[in-house]
Amino acid sequence: TQLLEQSPQFLSIQEGENLTVYCNSSSVFSSLQWYRQEPGEGPVLLVTVVTGGEVKKLKRLTFQFGDARKDSSLHITAAQPGDTGLYLCAGDTGNQFYFGTGTSLTVIP
Amino acid sequence: EADIYQTPRYLVIGTGKKITLECSQTMGHDKMYWYQQDPGMELHLIHYSYGVNSTEKGDLSSESTVSRIRTEHFPLTLESARPSHTSQYLCASSDYGVQFGYGYTFGSGTRLTVV
Repeated sequence: TQLLEQSPQFLSIQEGENLTVYCNSSSVFSSLQWYRQEPGEGPVLLVTVVTGGEVKKLKRLTFQFGDARKDSSLHITAAQPGDTGLYLCAGDTGNQFYFGTGTSLTVIP
Repeated sequence: EADIYQTPRYLVIGTGKKITLECSQTMGHDKMYWYQQDPGMELHLIHYSYGVNSTEKGDLSSESTVSRIRTEHFPLTLESARPSHTSQYLCASSDYGVQFGYGYTFGSGTRLTVV
């Protein structure tokens, strides 16, 4: 049983389009993180959200933590080819981080 | 620049060989982790350590072992490699202040192929 489910699993869009990726769980997390991973490399931390309902913006990326701290979303505005990669969410239960199933994003020029 | 180093980046070995994947970090982090990941897929925790002489098994059953004799060094050893061990192995470290935005720092990974 996977603790964190991400949707969609795969996403292919045209440059300039907007998209939203979801990270859902039935468990409560003390914090949640989003990572981006490029082929052949390790994941790189994008953001950490801690407070229920928190919204963080990182240029064209907007991250939201659910009010109940069980889910999160990542919204990308005007996607660019450089956004291509595997997006992973990771939730902290207080004992360890659990990684989500991942969303593979391809932005076509 | 990377603060956590994994060697080798790529390794092709024969079945039955003993191998050690190296991981070193320069950040002084107490917590270190080993994850296994198939291409483009989720990460599975196989081992972790909360400090020197502390090692624990993760959620994914693994035939590997780890050691933590020094804070900066967390090697992973496979006593007898099998084709089922073919995967990417990622090492990571973290600070206790993850709730303040300090997440995991990952190495670039070791791509292992057992033939």
